[in-house]
Amino acid sequence: QKEVEQNSGPLSVPEGAIASLNCTYSDRVSQSFFWYRQYSGKSPELIMSIYSNGDKEDGRFTAQLNKASQYVSLLIRDSQPSDSATYLCAVGGSGGGADGLTFGKGTHLIIQP
Amino acid sequence: GAVVSQHPSWVICKSGTSVKIECRSLDFQATTMFWYRQFPKQSLMLMATSNEGSKATYEQGVEKDKFLINHASLTLSTLTVTSAHPEDSSFYICSATTGSSYEQYFGPGTRLTVT
Repeated sequence: QKEVEQNSGPLSVPEGAIASLNCTYSDRVSQSFFWYRQYSGKSPELIMSIYSNGDKEDGRFTAQLNKASQYVSLLIRDSQPSDSATYLCAVGGSGGGADGLTFGKGTHLIIQP
Repeated sequence: GAVVSQHPSWVICKSGTSVKIECRSLDFQATTMFWYRQFPKQSLMLMATSNEGSKATYEQGVEKDKFLINHASLTLSTLTVTSAHPEDSSFYICSATTGSSYEQYFGPGTRLTVT
């Protein structure tokens, strides 16, 4: 049984600060890793994807992957109130795009103005 | 690009009836489509994977005779909830991949309420 673990929060961060979200996964053969943002009552929106060890930056977002530790993280710089949402960590299998995703339960992030 | 639509966005039906949900990729051909379900305050759970022209692959614990999936073309997949019961009330979300990357693009979801 594949598992993806996240701290459910809520994680409260002041506006302008860095928000750090973490995720661990159980399946060592996982090849693809994603962060999705989900607002209440809406479907997930892709924020970042990462496939190899190290950091990947896109604007205010940085994803970090450490396959040896089975750990994925997301950093949000200069946090804005509009970043307040639930952030879902999702992990794909070894079959690439043919695999469905296993989601964590999500971390509820609150950016305090 | 990579836009996925779903119809309807919400539906209310009576117990025992069937409901069909459509998922379309609007600006790309989807080699694979996925169906997820999300209960309140829970995360998304994969129900099934479908490829165009093939039978869907269902996750353990998902009744294939209850949740009928048809992937008739590279842009359309349908999920039919047969003989729906109140416990089937949930947020059903489809996603699709373009085939050129591992990224899945999600539709806006369909909220099903069975009374």
